[in-house]
Amino acid sequence: GQQVMQIPQYQHVQEGEDFTTYCNSSTTLSNIQWYKQRPGGHPVFLIQLVKSGEVKKQKRLTFQFGEAKKNSSLHITATQTTDVGTYFCAGMGTNAGKSTFGDGTTLTVKP
Amino acid sequence: DSGVTQTPKHLITATGQRVTLRCSPRSGDLSVYWYQQSLDQGLQFLIQYYNGEERAKGNILERFSAQQFPDLHSELNLSSLELGDSALYFCASSTTGTPRSGANVLTFGAGSRLTVL
Repeated sequence: GQQVMQIPQYQHVQEGEDFTTYCNSSTTLSNIQWYKQRPGGHPVFLIQLVKSGEVKKQKRLTFQFGEAKKNSSLHITATQTTDVGTYFCAGMGTNAGKSTFGDGTTLTVKP
Repeated sequence: DSGVTQTPKHLITATGQRVTLRCSPRSGDLSVYWYQQSLDQGLQFLIQYYNGEERAKGNILERFSAQQFPDLHSELNLSSLELGDSALYFCASSTTGTPRSGANVLTFGAGSRLTVL
């Protein structure tokens, strides 16, 4: 079945440093989504990428979808303490009706 | 408030017992998904319903069952509970349409935290 790998599992940064999490699928994806789960909270949708090579930005967050539609990344510039949480990618296969979540990257930010 | 309502928020029970978790999807959403999240773990997909019918099944144990009712709310039944079933159980809902229209974007509820002692 479809597998979605996410690395790293944990990332500790100093406030102001950049952060990147990577997502890789074993199969070609129809689209990929990113969610953020704050400590003690529930996952909240951030963005969806559909097109090959697509790049989207949300303030300090930059999301990319690979040309082959098998990988994606989330980059945060100049992290802030409000960025702490676990970031999940979720990829939808070309034949599947549901998305497969990666295991998430937990970001901690030291002030 | 995401619009997805889950009850109860917390539940403590003993091994061997049976519990029912309830979910009301966001108004207008026809799909309901159940996920299990153990401590510091990822989101394990359990099952999906669409307009009352089972659409997809993940790693759901035989001791677990779910259904979606005509009013679109869903219930997840967990029986013969074991210590390892202790986890956060999330319900999510999504709308209809094509992925390009955002149809498969999930809106999660706040979760039901189950503790099995």
